[in-house]
Amino acid sequence: AQSVSQHNHHVILSEAASLELGCNYSYGGTVNLFWYVQYPGQHLQLLLKYFSGDPLVKGIKGFEAEFIKSKFSFNLRKPSVQWSDTAEYFCAVNSGGGADGLTFGKGTHLIIQP
Amino acid sequence: NAGVTQTPKFQVLKTGQSMTLQCAQDMNHEYMSWYRQDPGMGLRLIHYSVGAGITDQGEVPNGYNVSRSTTEDFPLRLLSAAPSQTSVYFCASSYKGGPVNEQFFGPGTRLTVL
Repeated sequence: AQSVSQHNHHVILSEAASLELGCNYSYGGTVNLFWYVQYPGQHLQLLLKYFSGDPLVKGIKGFEAEFIKSKFSFNLRKPSVQWSDTAEYFCAVNSGGGADGLTFGKGTHLIIQP
Repeated sequence: NAGVTQTPKFQVLKTGQSMTLQCAQDMNHEYMSWYRQDPGMGLRLIHYSVGAGITDQGEVPNGYNVSRSTTEDFPLRLLSAAPSQTSVYFCASSYKGGPVNEQFFGPGTRLTVL
């Protein structure tokens, strides 16, 4: 079975600080990796995804993530955060064709202070 | 396209009552899933479907039933609601083809069971 671990449950940063949110997964086969964001009161939106190719993927709103296969990691980064990045961030994984849904981490609540 | 729609947005039930959460998508996606979101737990898969007439259990299926009579609709039934089912429920759909299956999420249903 797959599992996803997000290291930080709550992160507080000041505007313009750099961000890195950790995500590790456990699965021996081919995986597809995702980062979703949930702004307060809203549903989940896809930030970025990885399935093959360049391990450094760029997403929306200046976010990027790096897939490191040897470490089973898919960390999310942003060089300079904004107050509007305050949200809940979820790392997720599925395998193969993805028919059986996503396995999510428990989420990281990010608060950006002006 | 409306994407993934869910009704109702909010619902309060008494213990033992039954209800159906509706989910529909107009993107002709083969795959559909139901998740519940609880504080500190992330999203957990309840049931999923790979096509009309085919459903399977996810991580937390107990207390829930699903059916998929059409490609568009994937209702979630609570036969006898319990306080432990108080949660936010998200429906998602994804396309079967392609190298990676991004899931599109609905706006959610916030359910309270008293």
